[in-house]
Amino acid sequence: QLVLTQSPSASASLGASVKITCALSSGHTNYPIAWHQQQPEKGPRYLMRLNSDGGHYKGDGIPDRFSGSSSGAERYLTISSLQSEDEADYYCQTWGIGIRVFGGGTKLTVL
Amino acid sequence: EVQLVESGGGLVQPGGSLRLSCAASGFTFSRYRMTWVRQAPGKGLKWVASMNQDGTEKYSVDSVKGRFSISRDNAKNSLYLQMSSLRAEDTAVYYCARDSGVNDPIDYWGQGTLVTVSS
Repeated sequence: QLVLTQSPSASASLGASVKITCALSSGHTNYPIAWHQQQPEKGPRYLMRLNSDGGHYKGDGIPDRFSGSSSGAERYLTISSLQSEDEADYYCQTWGIGIRVFGGGTKLTVL
Repeated sequence: EVQLVESGGGLVQPGGSLRLSCAASGFTFSRYRMTWVRQAPGKGLKWVASMNQDGTEKYSVDSVKGRFSISRDNAKNSLYLQMSSLRAEDTAVYYCARDSGVNDPIDYWGQGTLVTVSS
């Protein structure tokens, strides 16, 4: 079964960096994912597609502070130079034939 | 600029029906697969249904099969979600989203429309 697992929460200080993790289920470790950001009381926003080789392709207007990387079954979103507006929920998403799957989301707190 | 604008949400009694619409603009609607995603209050994103460009392929999560139907009108640049036999657990914000390609992720989202199922 295609499942994405995320830690429920993360925190980091203003101006620092943070790395958010998304783990693919066994048997699906080479799948690409996408990262989406959802700021409070807003709709989600696509950040990037992230492949198993670490190649990532960002959406329109996404700052360079956002980057992605991969290692085995894990996919990472790194946000550097954290700003207050980065405080949001971050979701990973993957897909197969006839299915779309989301991780449970990681709530990022900027201290 | 790509825009997806949902409408049609509201309060409905259990067992009732509702039709959501999504008006698309800023891109050639007929060339893209489309998806509905929902978010229950205080919860995460959950995929509901997707369809291809000409409506020959439709997929949905098991919990809505037989109750929800996704459709589109390419002439009107619109996506629809017909919901029937609604349950309290269907209460959520429903988002319309564009799939960037056949083997690609969602790349644009609407702002959502709230559906509340309650007596």
